[in-house]
Amino acid sequence: DAGVIQSPRHEVTEMGQEVTLRCKPISGHDYLFWYRQTMMRGLELLIYFNNNVPIDDSGMPEDRFSAKMPNASFSTLKIQPSEPRDSAVYFCASSPGQRIMLNYGYTFGSGTRLTVV
Amino acid sequence: KQEVTQIPAALSVPEGENLVLNCSFTDSAIYNLQWFRQDPGKGLTSLLLIQSSQREQTSGRLNASLDKSSGRSTLYIAASQPGDSATYLCVRRGNEKLTFGTGTRLTIIP
Repeated sequence: DAGVIQSPRHEVTEMGQEVTLRCKPISGHDYLFWYRQTMMRGLELLIYFNNNVPIDDSGMPEDRFSAKMPNASFSTLKIQPSEPRDSAVYFCASSPGQRIMLNYGYTFGSGTRLTVV
Repeated sequence: KQEVTQIPAALSVPEGENLVLNCSFTDSAIYNLQWFRQDPGKGLTSLLLIQSSQREQTSGRLNASLDKSSGRSTLYIAASQPGDSATYLCVRRGNEKLTFGTGTRLTIIP
């Protein structure tokens, strides 16, 4: 398995532009998580899905942020419009279903480094 | 509020020494605890996973222990090498969500 795959690895965009981050979880994993990491706040959970359904989006900072999971193998995190304070590394992680989750941890993608200028 | 604290925040040791990284958590109702390393500008790499029913896990030069009653976990690194330099994160899993530790930035001095 190739692991959790995120794209792009780096994104530089101008303030006000729309940004879309992509994630492909490990096949068979029922949970998908989006995290944001900054120097000031560390790792923050933004939203997570179970079987493609958003379960908890309380970490999404503002309405400018939205996430979708149209199928089990793909998720997007969209920021529209982007602002300089959105600059961070965004991680996607996946994990197996609840019943077998005890035997597995979480697998993280390599992250997308977003810079909004 | 569930919190995970790692002490020290930064540690520098000469190559070859054994060392211990500490992690403490306020809520002992955990499913598992996972240790990750993160290299600068990179993602998180899983090192060890300890289930709530386990006391420790070993992988090569790494040994992680878990004491739920005291709310502590330790990561022991034997015979440290410069390649071990990274930030180490302990992550507590309760129910579905993860709670990340504050991290320890480890530097191994050649």
